[in-house]
Amino acid sequence: QVQLVQSGAEVKKPGASVKVSCKASGYTFSTYGISWVRQAPGQGLEWMGWISAYNGNTNFAQKFQGRLTMTTDTSSSTAYMDLRTLRSDDTALYFCARHETGGFDIWGQGTMVTVSS
Amino acid sequence: QSALTQPASVSGSPGQSITISCTGTSSDVGSYNLVSWYQQHPGKAPKLMIYGVTKRPSGISYRFSGSKSGNTASLTISGLQAEDEADYYCCSFAGRSTSYVFGTGTRVTVL
Repeated sequence: QVQLVQSGAEVKKPGASVKVSCKASGYTFSTYGISWVRQAPGQGLEWMGWISAYNGNTNFAQKFQGRLTMTTDTSSSTAYMDLRTLRSDDTALYFCARHETGGFDIWGQGTMVTVSS
Repeated sequence: QSALTQPASVSGSPGQSITISCTGTSSDVGSYNLVSWYQQHPGKAPKLMIYGVTKRPSGISYRFSGSKSGNTASLTISGLQAEDEADYYCCSFAGRSTSYVFGTGTRVTVL
């Protein structure tokens, strides 16, 4: 079936970087984009950015410009989200989601990233 | 880009209908028919319920419907059931520079 499976939980110190993976299966990876969405504990959803799995084009929310990178590996149908210079307020559950026209139709299970000294 | 505004909570009795509003601006909700709605149960990933303002993905109950008027989109749940108790988020495309913005979220309680 169509699914996105994310890498496991991470604990990082302030100032470090984290790279989260999102492996797709059950569909042609290059046909869709992947968005990343995060959710701080007890808070709402926040869209971070998008990458085209077809050509690697990206678009990021302004607040993440400069410290966010998104890449894809079409050979393994995997998308990656790399967030640098982590702060305590980056502690959140990070989701990848398949980007369909007008919505995000398939979601990964989420990856908890904890930033703590 | 500010989050879209949703009521913090909405409640209803089983069988009733409820409506959740999602208010944006002329730069997001008002400009694009790209509003989607997500249901999220505690500890779970969000689930797409409505896309393109009014469209239901395969497998989503007809009890869920979406609409839009001006800068405000709405999600209506008819025939409320216990399993509908969850958090609901709207999301809108907001142009190429901003891309997407989520709503503040609404907790739906079935009394």
